[in-house]
Amino acid sequence: DSGVTQTPKHLITATGQRVTLRCSPRSGDLSVYWYQQSLDQGLQFLIQYYNGEERAKGNILERFSAQQFPDLHSELNLSSLELGDSALYFCASSGRDRVTSRTSGNTIYFGEGSWLTVV
Amino acid sequence: ELKVEQNPLFLSMQEGKNYTIYCNYSTTSDRLYWYRQDPGKSLESLFVLLSNGAVKQEGRLMASLDTKARLSTLHITAAVHDLSATYFCAVDGLFGNEKLTFGTGTRLTIIP
Repeated sequence: DSGVTQTPKHLITATGQRVTLRCSPRSGDLSVYWYQQSLDQGLQFLIQYYNGEERAKGNILERFSAQQFPDLHSELNLSSLELGDSALYFCASSGRDRVTSRTSGNTIYFGEGSWLTVV
Repeated sequence: ELKVEQNPLFLSMQEGKNYTIYCNYSTTSDRLYWYRQDPGKSLESLFVLLSNGAVKQEGRLMASLDTKARLSTLHITAAVHDLSATYFCAVDGLFGNEKLTFGTGTRLTIIP
């Protein structure tokens, strides 16, 4: 158990709908990351938040958005869903920050993932 | 753009044999990670390698990093069935860029 909690574990929804995926990072971790894993694209970085602020952005579609709340949990909102959005969405967390990141050997811990199926 | 290549993509090996998975990356990076993933499951952290020449070992797995060659290896010694999984390497950016770029993964099957 990595300590990163994601809900829901499985989700089936129709095209055009909107869903919200939730993530609670490991206790004390300030950074939260979202990744998408699909058969054709592999593991793709979507977005990172650090202590409530957006830190880095990857290949995240405009239909997708995320935020990190004061209690450090994060939500990934996926809207106007398409069949191609079906994937495993991972949340990850780490305790690293910009100051210590070059010297820290802290790893990035992944949650169990949320399986999204769009039909 | 940072690119990470792993090879082989698929590896089938007999129990008791040794083998190596290779991970090449295209630009300078702060650190390299190895993860294991069982089908449909989460990514389990195996190693974090920080510097040139770094070597880490855990059980039958040993990872090394050559930053000059931009190459990391994951060596499997005397493979056992429990090691069957997909192994990913991932590379971090420089100076606080914490976006991980993952390799394609190596699907390892250990045959009894």
